[in-house]
Amino acid sequence: QKEVEQDPGPLSVPEGAIVSLNCTYSNSAFQYFMWYRQYSRKGPELLMYTYSSGNKEDGRFTAQVDKSSKYISLFIRDSQPSDSATYLCAMSAGGGFKTIFGAGTRLFVKA
Amino acid sequence: EPEVTQTPSHQVTQMGQEVILRCVPISNHLYFYWYRQILGQKVEFLVSFYNNEISEKSEIFDDQFSVERPDGSNFTLKIRSTKLEDSAMYFCASSTANTDTQYFGPGTRLTVL
Repeated sequence: QKEVEQDPGPLSVPEGAIVSLNCTYSNSAFQYFMWYRQYSRKGPELLMYTYSSGNKEDGRFTAQVDKSSKYISLFIRDSQPSDSATYLCAMSAGGGFKTIFGAGTRLFVKA
Repeated sequence: EPEVTQTPSHQVTQMGQEVILRCVPISNHLYFYWYRQILGQKVEFLVSFYNNEISEKSEIFDDQFSVERPDGSNFTLKIRSTKLEDSAMYFCASSTANTDTQYFGPGTRLTVL
């Protein structure tokens, strides 16, 4: 079983839709959960960061972590064409430990 | 807003040559990392560095790779004898001591011919 599983998509939605992106993981030592956005041939850009279980909201973005199910989600409300990118989930056991990335989900938001 | 910078943005080299990729992490960060991403594939951890020594490395980070913090601002990745399969985007990242929010640089695209 892979440490982090993420559906690579692509996921295509109309502008204004609510987008749901998900990852599952197997390592119960993971404590830090991140979502990065990556545009083509660019570095990952940190979107959301959550420690342990719970929800976190930032503007149109909501991150959820359910450690009991080893499942994390990112919701994007009122999606825009500029949200079109690859979204990477990432997680680690703590400060200084390696971050394990999912494969990334390619998202297309159509105007 | 502070950011991680990397140079060069694109490096082309011949197989067997040595390359040095350079990074300037965010100034108050203490943990430094290198990752790579082969075209179309996932971001892969290479090495983490703290207090002037390697704290963790992956199986990819073999004897051909080394890292160094030559001064108070730069963090470098050296590949001694490049192979075709080293062609990838190499990302530097840094974080503070107490969290694992890693901030990534824009990457260096390494092409080995």
